[in-house]
Amino acid sequence: QKEVEQNSGPLSVPEGAIASLNCTYSDRGSQSFFWYRQYSGKSPELIMSIYSNGDKEDGRFTAQLNKASQYVSLLIRDSQPSDSATYLCATNSGNTPLVFGKGTRLSVIA
Amino acid sequence: EPEVTQTPSHQVTQMGQEVILRCVPISNHLYFYWYRQILGQKVEFLVSFYNNEISEKSEIFDDQFSVERPDGSNFTLKIRSTKLEDSAMYFCASSESRNEQFFGPGTRLTVL
Repeated sequence: QKEVEQNSGPLSVPEGAIASLNCTYSDRGSQSFFWYRQYSGKSPELIMSIYSNGDKEDGRFTAQLNKASQYVSLLIRDSQPSDSATYLCATNSGNTPLVFGKGTRLSVIA
Repeated sequence: EPEVTQTPSHQVTQMGQEVILRCVPISNHLYFYWYRQILGQKVEFLVSFYNNEISEKSEIFDDQFSVERPDGSNFTLKIRSTKLEDSAMYFCASSESRNEQFFGPGTRLTVL
């Protein structure tokens, strides 16, 4: 059974701080890793993808991947109240469907 | 920016009725998916579709479900005889390759 685990939160951070979201996965064959943002009642919105070990930065977002530890993280710098949402970690391995974690709820306090 | 669209946004039906959920994937995408999310739970894979046929399906996708691409733009999910436990958000997604998948806004299905 392929599993993706996330702390459900809520994770509360003050405005302007760095939010750190973590994810572990069980399938060592996973090749692609994604972070989606989901506002309440809305659909998942892709914000980051990462395929190789190390860091990938896009604006205020940095994704980090460590395949040896089966660990993916997302850092959000200069957090804004509009970043308050549930962040979903998802993985797949080439020809397999996405497997999602349950998500971490982030609350950015103004 | 191109996006996946879905209709209707909300569907209410009686148990045992058939429903068809519709999706228009991003135009140059080749891979299409249906996922569902029961309130408060994970996003779950239902089925993937490529080259006019199902490429993979989950255990959830039993004989009451079917998918179709009736023309060059639409992608539909049919539930033949709805059950109470089918109440969920249904998301269509599409991708150009087997990597980044982009989701539509979803259809909220309520089975009474």
